Amino acid sequence: EAQVTQNPRYLITVTGKKLTVTCSQNMNHEYMSWYRQDPGLGLRQIYYSMNVEVTDKGDVPEGYKVSRKEKRNFPLILESPSPNQTSLYFCASSGSGGGLTGYTFGSGTRLTVV
Amino acid sequence: DAKTTQPTSMDCAEGRAANLPCNHSTISGNEYVYWYRQIHSQGPQYIIHGLKNNETNEMASLIITEDRKSSTLILPHATLRDTAVYYCIVRGYFNDYKLSFGAGTTVTVRA
Repeated sequence: EAQVTQNPRYLITVTGKKLTVTCSQNMNHEYMSWYRQDPGLGLRQIYYSMNVEVTDKGDVPEGYKVSRKEKRNFPLILESPSPNQTSLYFCASSGSGGGLTGYTFGSGTRLTVV
Repeated sequence: DAKTTQPTSMDCAEGRAANLPCNHSTISGNEYVYWYRQIHSQGPQYIIHGLKNNETNEMASLIITEDRKSSTLILPHATLRDTAVYYCIVRGYFNDYKLSFGAGTTVTVRA
């Protein structure tokens, strides 16, 4: 089944403790992206990647890192999480080709930083 | 990227067609119109997209005006499971890695 898999689904952590949220897709998609969703602010793009070793900042990149060493994986790294990073996170992937395909989203990771 | 304008919310009776409007008056010639929906806190789900012709798939129909400044998503027979936030998004050909979500339309299907 074609899908985007995020892990973990739920995570509670303490301020300053480094964490990684994994994202993997099995559709051989070039594009991958991370979003966060907060009440009243909607979905905001954190980082995106156009292919292996090619990443760029989205609208809210502060406090996050990403890497794209393999086509299928796009982990989101929080080096020193803070409470304002408590949010619902989504990973998404898409094939290239000028709008020929839609983005497929993962099921989300609900992160709480205390 | 062109911005979109959607109504904040709308209600629909179960079994009736739901027509969701979207304005994108600044859309450029190489930009597509996409529709997604998000049910509760699940990941957004792709519904349909189009450039200038009307499109139909198993989920919905997309009607794009001739001047491409607005579009309508049609859910032909709404069910309670169609209750969701629906997002209209314009996505460019040359920057199709960007997908900017607005506030969307909260659609409530009532029995």
